[in-house]
Formats: sequence, C-alpha cells, structure tokens
Amino acid sequence: DSGVTQTPKHLITATGQRVTLRCSPRSGDLSVYWYQQSLDQGLQFLIQYYNGEERAKGNILERFSAQQFPDLHSELNLSSLELGDSALYFCASNGLAGGGVNTQYFGPGTRLTVL
Amino acid sequence: DQQVKQNSPSLSVQEGRISILNCDYTNSMFDYFLWYKKYPAEGPTFLISISSIKDKNEDGRFTVFLNKSAKHLSLHIVPSQPGDSAVYFCAASLLTGANSKLTFGKGITLSVRP
Repeated sequence: DSGVTQTPKHLITATGQRVTLRCSPRSGDLSVYWYQQSLDQGLQFLIQYYNGEERAKGNILERFSAQQFPDLHSELNLSSLELGDSALYFCASNGLAGGGVNTQYFGPGTRLTVL
Repeated sequence: DQQVKQNSPSLSVQEGRISILNCDYTNSMFDYFLWYKKYPAEGPTFLISISSIKDKNEDGRFTVFLNKSAKHLSLHIVPSQPGDSAVYFCAASLLTGANSKLTFGKGITLSVRP
C-alpha cells in the first residue's frame, strides 16, 4: 500500500460526458501528479500540483482540468469525453525512497471506459 | 519526442535465469534513473534507482547498470522468479526545485516461466 488513494476504481461512461477522478496523496506529501496510461502507452504525465498550486503541465488536453484543495486532495476533471480517453489514470505523490532518492508513490489508478 | 525509450515491449525468461531489461534515454540532464514495477490492477511501485554519477546499484536480486556515454541503463534480475512477472517501467528524473519530474518509458512486460 503506497498510501496514495484514488476513487473510483472503475468508471464507465458515455461519449460527451464529464467525470471527476479523485486522489488523496500520502500523509505529509504536498505534491500530486496525474498520469494517463493508454493501451500500449507508457505513463504520460498530465499535470502536477504542489500545495494547491499548479506546478507543471504535461500532455494534458484542454478538455481536462485539475485542482488541488486545501486538504491536499486533488481532482482531475475530464469533459466532453471521447472514446480515446479510455485509459488508466494514476495519481502519485512525491516522497523520498531509500538513499534519499526523490521518487513518486502511485495510487492504484482509476480505469475509465468511455463507450 | 520520446526521451526515455524501452524498445522491447516484452521479455520471457525461465525461472532461475537472469532477466535483463534495457532502457535508453536522450536527455543528458537527467539526474536519477528509476525502475518501477507494475502488476495488473495496481499502480506502479518503486523498485530501484541509480544516480547519474554512479554506474551500478544493487539491491538484493536487482541490479541497475548505467552507461552514461551510451545513454543506456539496464535492470538485471537474478535469479528471476515467477513473481517477478510484471510490467517494468524505466523512468528518468529531472530535479526541478523541490520536486522531480519523471519521464517514463512505455514499459516492458516480463514473463518468468516456471
């Protein structure tokens, strides 16, 4: 158990709809990262928040947005959904691994299926 | 532009043998390299890392080798066990302020045959 929680575990919706994915980082971690993993693709970085502020942006579509709240949980909003948005969405928070290596701890993911 | 490449999508090895998973990168500014392991229906978990100033790091059955001149790293698993069957992601870290930005490869699916 990484300490990062994500809900829901699975989400099935239709094209054109909007969904919200939720993430809580590990206790004490201020950063939240969102990633998308599509079929046969690696982990594509979407966006990072640090203590409520957007810190870095990756390959995030304009139809997608995110925010981090004062209690440090984060939500990823996906709107006008298309079939190609079907993917696993992971959230991660920053921490130190053995030897002081700056690493990321991942949640279990949300599997989004757009029909 | 894919800065971290795992060119082999899959690898199958016999239990007890060595598994060698390869990774190439293009950005010489990366300061750390990490390997993550992912089982189905779970998030990636950190496995082992290596600093860009080292050429080898060992942790139990797992050893990562870094060849900076070739911009290549490899993960060796010896001996391989069926429980090692998973997707392995190579990631490269670029430290930006207090946080690291990770760039991931596409992953390699390792199957260890009993």
